[in-house]
Amino acid sequence: GAVVSQHPSRVICKSGTSVKIECRSLDFQATTMFWYRQFPKKSLMLMATSNEGSKATYEQGVEKDKFLINHASLTLSTLTVTSAHPEDSSFYICSAQTGGREKLFFGSGTQLSVL
Amino acid sequence: DAKTTQPTSMDCAEGRAANLPCNHSTISGNEYVYWYRQIHSQGPQYIIHGLKNNETNEMASLIITEDRKSSTLILPHATLRDTAVYYCIVRVEGSNYKLTFGKGTLLTVNP
Repeated sequence: GAVVSQHPSRVICKSGTSVKIECRSLDFQATTMFWYRQFPKKSLMLMATSNEGSKATYEQGVEKDKFLINHASLTLSTLTVTSAHPEDSSFYICSAQTGGREKLFFGSGTQLSVL
Repeated sequence: DAKTTQPTSMDCAEGRAANLPCNHSTISGNEYVYWYRQIHSQGPQYIIHGLKNNETNEMASLIITEDRKSSTLILPHATLRDTAVYYCIVRVEGSNYKLTFGKGTLLTVNP
């Protein structure tokens, strides 16, 4: 299957700092990428839909100024958690849609811990 | 997307077939059934998807009832590494529709 690379896999930061997470589609072009977050023992919750070259679409309740998404190329989308707080600690996962839009492939996730 | 209903958890003996059911009684005619699984602390992994015909690949088989209101994912010979949360999702193929995850089924494969 297609490969989606997510980096870093784990990050620990101090409260008030910003953290950037990268999501790359390695062997295909992804016009659409999705960002999810997952709390322990819970299911994945969609945060936003990222379309190449346009503004991201955020789900209800997700602060767009806090979770900045950039999708500047067909193979890269980034999620920046700005002014992180302990409640932002979570597992963040990206996914990319193949060109035929029939499947989504997921990155390996980023565990963010804010102290 | 139509909602799906799955059992919270299931157990299976190693080497036996694991049959994971999913109900999607409100599925629309253009919605496909997708199965993903998530092993602890990893991103979800695509398994299989189908519309109305049964599907098989190297990982699993998907059996969809004739009325399309339910389906079963079959892992023919479960191994310990198949222990994961399995998600059944319905989605319109060929669109930018997002995948909405439910709670899934925790499959535990026992030695």
